[in-house]
Amino acid sequence: QKEVEQDPGPLSVPEGAIVSLNCTYSNSAFQYFMWYRQYSRKGPELLMYTYSSGNKEDGRFTAQVDKSSKYISLFIRDSQPSDSATYLCAHRKDGGFKTIFGAGTRLFVKA
Amino acid sequence: DTGVSQDPRHKITKRGQNVTFRCDPISEHNRLYWYRQTLGQGPEFLTYFQNEAQLEKSRLLSDRFSAERPKGSFSTLEIQRTEQGDSAMYLCASSSNRGPSTDTQYFGPGTRLTVL
Repeated sequence: QKEVEQDPGPLSVPEGAIVSLNCTYSNSAFQYFMWYRQYSRKGPELLMYTYSSGNKEDGRFTAQVDKSSKYISLFIRDSQPSDSATYLCAHRKDGGFKTIFGAGTRLFVKA
Repeated sequence: DTGVSQDPRHKITKRGQNVTFRCDPISEHNRLYWYRQTLGQGPEFLTYFQNEAQLEKSRLLSDRFSAERPKGSFSTLEIQRTEQGDSAMYLCASSSNRGPSTDTQYFGPGTRLTVL
């Protein structure tokens, strides 16, 4: 079992749709949870991070962490074609340095 | 803040050759990381520096791989006697353990290595 499981997709939605991206993880020792966006042939770009459980909102993006179920979610409202990318969830231990990534979900937003 | 830079962006080499990649982190960041990413996978941790000290190496980093950060600023990753299985994107990231960033890692654009 991988430490972070993520549906690879691809996920295709029409412009303006609400997108839900999800990950599960197996090790409850992790405290920091991140979402990165990666365009083709580019490095990952940090979108959001959260500490422990709860929600965090930034513009059209909302990240949720449910530690009781080991479930991480990213919601994108009013999706745009420019949101088409691979979305990587990741986690790290508090005080740790190694970030563990999921395999990424490819998202296509059709105009 | 100019971001993390990596050089070269692309490298094509023949099997058995040595290659070296460079990473320049964000200037105030004291931590530097190398990751490897293959097609359809997320980045996998290779090694970590705090200042000039290499504090952790993944078992993925075979004896043919070596990384340095001699002055606690830029870092190099060298692969000796390259193999076709080394073909991947090599990503560098940096972070700071000071300030409000909570040690969040910021990635560079990567060096794409192709071994023929």
